[in-house]
Amino acid sequence: SAVISQKPSRDICQRGTSLTIQCQVDSQVTMMFWYRQQPGQSLTLIATANQGSEATYESGFVIDKFPISRPNLTFSTLTVSNMSPEDSSIYLCSGLRGLGETQYFGPGTRLLVL
Amino acid sequence: AQSVTQLGSHVSVSEGALVLLRCNYSSSVPPYLFWYVQYPNQGLQLLLKYTSAATLVKGINGFEAEFKKSETSFHLTKPSAHMSDAAEYFCAVSDNDGGANNLFFGTGTRLTVIP
Repeated sequence: SAVISQKPSRDICQRGTSLTIQCQVDSQVTMMFWYRQQPGQSLTLIATANQGSEATYESGFVIDKFPISRPNLTFSTLTVSNMSPEDSSIYLCSGLRGLGETQYFGPGTRLLVL
Repeated sequence: AQSVTQLGSHVSVSEGALVLLRCNYSSSVPPYLFWYVQYPNQGLQLLLKYTSAATLVKGINGFEAEFKKSETSFHLTKPSAHMSDAAEYFCAVSDNDGGANNLFFGTGTRLTVIP
């Protein structure tokens, strides 16, 4: 298994500001993902974080709003830019060692935008 | 396209009673199905997964789920609820057994266990 931690665990932010969320895995993983869980809704995949190259974004998500970095096989960041109250959500990262393996999830970052 | 529907956002059971959490899926290809549990302030933890082998899948903590193609269901059960089972449970579907890239989640069911 893999243990995944996220920082911060929660934050309250003002609209128009940006927040960077960190995701750390205790072992190397091939793939890392970022999800969003809006209140009362499913987890939705934002993007796949690719090491050394630009992230692959799902429909409805763009790099300017959610820039992602992945400098190595154990760490990734997601930035929520120019925040609005609609960005209030739980943001989760996950890691996957390889196809056929199980996705492991972090505890999530609870974001409230005022 | 793939999706899952979890019936009941909140389920309450008495300690020792049967736990039944419902999940129905929609998939245009043979599905891989997952149940995850999320305890307060913790990450999602895989309970069990169906990958086209046995239709009755046993997971951790005494949970099991049965894949029923005719009903497009993958309900999660446990014969006797324990207080420690109180958590949020998510059903998910994918078109591969690792769930890479395309893991689609339900909205979750919060289980409360009454002493």
